[in-house]
Amino acid sequence: EPEVTQTPSHQVTQMGQEVILRCVPISNHLYFYWYRQILGQKVEFLVSFYNNEISEKSEIFDDQFSVERPDGSNFTLKIRSTKLEDSAMYFCASIGGYNEQFFGPGTRLTVL
Amino acid sequence: AQSVTQLGSHVSVSEGALVLLRCNYSSSVPPYLFWYVQYPNQGLQLLLKYTSAATLVKGINGFEAEFKKSETSFHLTKPSAHMSDAAEYFCAVSASSSNTGKLIFGQGTTLQVKP
Repeated sequence: EPEVTQTPSHQVTQMGQEVILRCVPISNHLYFYWYRQILGQKVEFLVSFYNNEISEKSEIFDDQFSVERPDGSNFTLKIRSTKLEDSAMYFCASIGGYNEQFFGPGTRLTVL
Repeated sequence: AQSVTQLGSHVSVSEGALVLLRCNYSSSVPPYLFWYVQYPNQGLQLLLKYTSAATLVKGINGFEAEFKKSETSFHLTKPSAHMSDAAEYFCAVSASSSNTGKLIFGQGTTLQVKP
């Protein structure tokens, strides 16, 4: 069964450093998403991506964040200068039918 | 705008007892509704979804949910809890008319199953 994969599973970084989180969506999906979940809180939408451009973003997704689909398979989330409050679990998702989103296992980002 | 409210951040049941996790939604357009389960240190797994077909939706692991438009609810039930059902459960909504399909999640309900 096809699945969304994410790497790394855990990323530790120093405040102010850049991080890139990687995702491989399901191959025939066209919409891609990033969500985050701060420990103990609900899952929050960050950004959706379609046809090589952002289709919607939340207020969380400020200038420090960017997304890219550098090739036909990878979908990345970059945080330019990490802050302590960026520590969270980041989930990638891609969409099948009826807005059914398939989620990856997540990347736990720890900012020290 | 859409929102989801899950009543009860923590629900505890005995093994074999009925599971009822509550979800109420708000949506200005016909919604799609979802329940996801998250086991510790894992990602989100889809349990079931409502997409404007049958109002009673059956999902995996014996779970089902009923869409009640008049009550704006989409409560999740399972007749008999199993120890393996212990997890975090999230209700989510998206707009059927949305061209982005983003999901809005509730706060989550932790289900504890006691032996």
